Amino acid sequence: AQSVTQPDIHITVSEGASLELRCNYSYGATPYLFWYVQSPGQGLQLLLKYFSGDTLVQGIKGFEAEFKRSQSSFNLRKPSVHWSDAAEYFCAVLGEGGAGKSTFGDGTTLTVKP
Amino acid sequence: EPEVTQTPSHQVTQMGQEVILRCVPISNHLYFYWYRQILGQKVEFLVSFYNNEISEKSEIFDDQFSVERPDGSNFTLKIRSTKLEDSAMYFCASKSSPNTEAFFGQGTRLTVV
Repeated sequence: AQSVTQPDIHITVSEGASLELRCNYSYGATPYLFWYVQSPGQGLQLLLKYFSGDTLVQGIKGFEAEFKRSQSSFNLRKPSVHWSDAAEYFCAVLGEGGAGKSTFGDGTTLTVKP
Repeated sequence: EPEVTQTPSHQVTQMGQEVILRCVPISNHLYFYWYRQILGQKVEFLVSFYNNEISEKSEIFDDQFSVERPDGSNFTLKIRSTKLEDSAMYFCASKSSPNTEAFFGQGTRLTVV
């Protein structure tokens, strides 16, 4: 069965610093991968997705992610973090079986220091 | 921009009571989902629904849960006899096809007391 691991529970970065959030997946075939962001008390907003093609994908809010099949990873990056980026970030993989469910990682909480 | 809407945003109920959580998916979407997130934990899949029937459900989705599309726009999750451990944020999601991204609603925070 598919699974997603986000090794970092909590990350703190200074405003203006670069950011990388790690995601590793386990999946039998070519995965469809997503990053979602959840601000406190809010729903899940899609940042970006990878289905196929170019392994470096661009998303909203200046985020990008790189799919590396050899490392089973899909890490999220941002060159310069803004205070408004403080939130929880979830990596997800589209499940097997055809029903279209997603399996989520445990999430990484991002704190931004002024 | 089309969005998934959920009502109510917050529901408090007594243990043993029935609750119905409501969702209006994006209008041209055909695949519907419920997920839940217990406070501080990951988002967990509950059930997927297509063509007026359940296409997949998780172990969490036991007999106390049911889903329904009562009309052409609403998608509901019913919990028959709520337990304290049902307290969570419940998210509805919809898709145009199974191999695309899901669009999530803002969630309903259910508190069972």
